[in-house]
Amino acid sequence: DAGVIQSPRHEVTEMGQEVTLRCKPISGHNSLFWYRQTMMRGLELLIYFNNNVPIDDSGMPEDRFSAKMPNASFSTLKIQPSEPRDSAVYFCASSSMGLAGGTRTDTQYFGPGTRLTVL
Amino acid sequence: AQKVTQAQTEISVVEKEDVTLDCVYETRDTTYYLFWYKQPPSGELVFLIRRNSFDEQNEISGRYSWNFQKSTSSFNFTITASQVVDSAVYFCALRSYSSASKIIFGSGTRLSIRP
Repeated sequence: DAGVIQSPRHEVTEMGQEVTLRCKPISGHNSLFWYRQTMMRGLELLIYFNNNVPIDDSGMPEDRFSAKMPNASFSTLKIQPSEPRDSAVYFCASSSMGLAGGTRTDTQYFGPGTRLTVL
Repeated sequence: AQKVTQAQTEISVVEKEDVTLDCVYETRDTTYYLFWYKQPPSGELVFLIRRNSFDEQNEISGRYSWNFQKSTSSFNFTITASQVVDSAVYFCALRSYSSASKIIFGSGTRLSIRP
């Protein structure tokens, strides 16, 4: 089975440019998460969707960041304009918020990440 | 408040030694879930285990074992007979039932296995 797919794997861009990161969750999963990982701040949850609807975007750093999930199999994270401090690894994860024996089975499975460098 | 503490920033051991990674968590919820993830040098995050708060049985999977103790709010991870391929950053994480889907990650422990 295919895991979470992210593209591109590496992105190098110049300050001020627009960056779009893409994610395809595991088929059948109904929750999708965007994380950012840096040495200074570790793993941070930026936003998550449930059934394509954004539930919590309190982790989005500022208005330069936006995320969409137009359908169950695709999400984008956009940074416009990008800044050097946005350099990080961005992970997408998905999970199934189904019920198994009355307990949510919500293990998050991560994609390989996109390493973003903003010069 | 929810919090996950991995006090060991870095651990280095010689191959074949046993090593334990500590994880201490804080939550006010009685229902919660604990996770361990592995991040090898290649960078991906690999799910290792999930435990719910009602199941305190220890778990063993090959050379890996986990010790969940609610009395001390700990969920420690032991690798027996470590191998070089175990070198990675290991993250402990917590999701409380009241926090919807949010998972709180610890800061990670970097484990280096020397040949």
